[in-house]
Amino acid sequence: DTGVSQNPRHKITKRGQNVTFRCDPISEHNRLYWYRQTLGQGPEFLTYFQNEAQLEKSRLLSDRFSAERPKGSFSTLEIQRTEQGDSAMYLCASSLVVLAGDTREQFFGPGTRLTVL
Amino acid sequence: QKEVEQNSGPLSVPEGAIASLNCTYSDRGSQSFFWYRQYSGKSPELIMSIYSNGDKEDGRFTAQLNKASQYVSLLIRDSQPSDSATYLCAVNRNTNAGKSTFGDGTTLTVKP
Repeated sequence: DTGVSQNPRHKITKRGQNVTFRCDPISEHNRLYWYRQTLGQGPEFLTYFQNEAQLEKSRLLSDRFSAERPKGSFSTLEIQRTEQGDSAMYLCASSLVVLAGDTREQFFGPGTRLTVL
Repeated sequence: QKEVEQNSGPLSVPEGAIASLNCTYSDRGSQSFFWYRQYSGKSPELIMSIYSNGDKEDGRFTAQLNKASQYVSLLIRDSQPSDSATYLCAVNRNTNAGKSTFGDGTTLTVKP
C-alpha cells in the first residue's frame, strides 16, 4: 500500500495526558499537512511541512500542540495536557510540489480518532 | 462569514438523476479548487480538481469554476446509491502556503 498511513487509528486518553500521533506520507511527496476534523465540520488546517521545514502553523493552534518532521519523511503530532475539546479526527495529508507557488492535490490518510475522557 | 460556504443539505436525489453541489468562497486570490468525497467515519478522498474557469469532466463527475462569481460546483450524473456521502469543497491560494480551506460539506443521499 503506497498511500498515506497514520497510527494509531484510534486513541482514547484521559484528560491531562499527552498523546502522539504518527503520519507516513506517500514516499515521493515533499509536503505533509495536519488537519483536525470534528463531527459536521470540514477539516481545519493545523500545520504543514515542506520536507523537514515547518512552514506554517495555524494561529488557532494551542501551544499544547507540536509537530515535527525530522528527516522530511514521517511526521509526529503531539498534544500535551489533553482537554476534552481536543477530541476529534486528526488527519494527515501529503502532496508533491515541484515549483514555488504550485499547489497540487492533497491525499489524505485514514486519520487518527482521538477521544479525551 | 466562512471562507468557504456549502449548503449542508441533506441533498436527496433518486438513483440515475443528476446531483448538483455548490460552493462559494470569499478569497479572490484563490487559485486551486478541489472536491473531496467523505464517507461516514472515513477520511476525505479526492475526486476532482480544477484550476481554471470553465468545466472539467471526469467520468460521471463535472466540476465547474467561475472565478468572477467566486463559485465552484460539482455535478454528478447518473447518481448511484454508492455516491451517498458528504462532499467537501476545498480552496487553496496558489502560494507557497499550500494549505486547503474546507467548507463544512454537503451530505448527499441517492435513493434507489
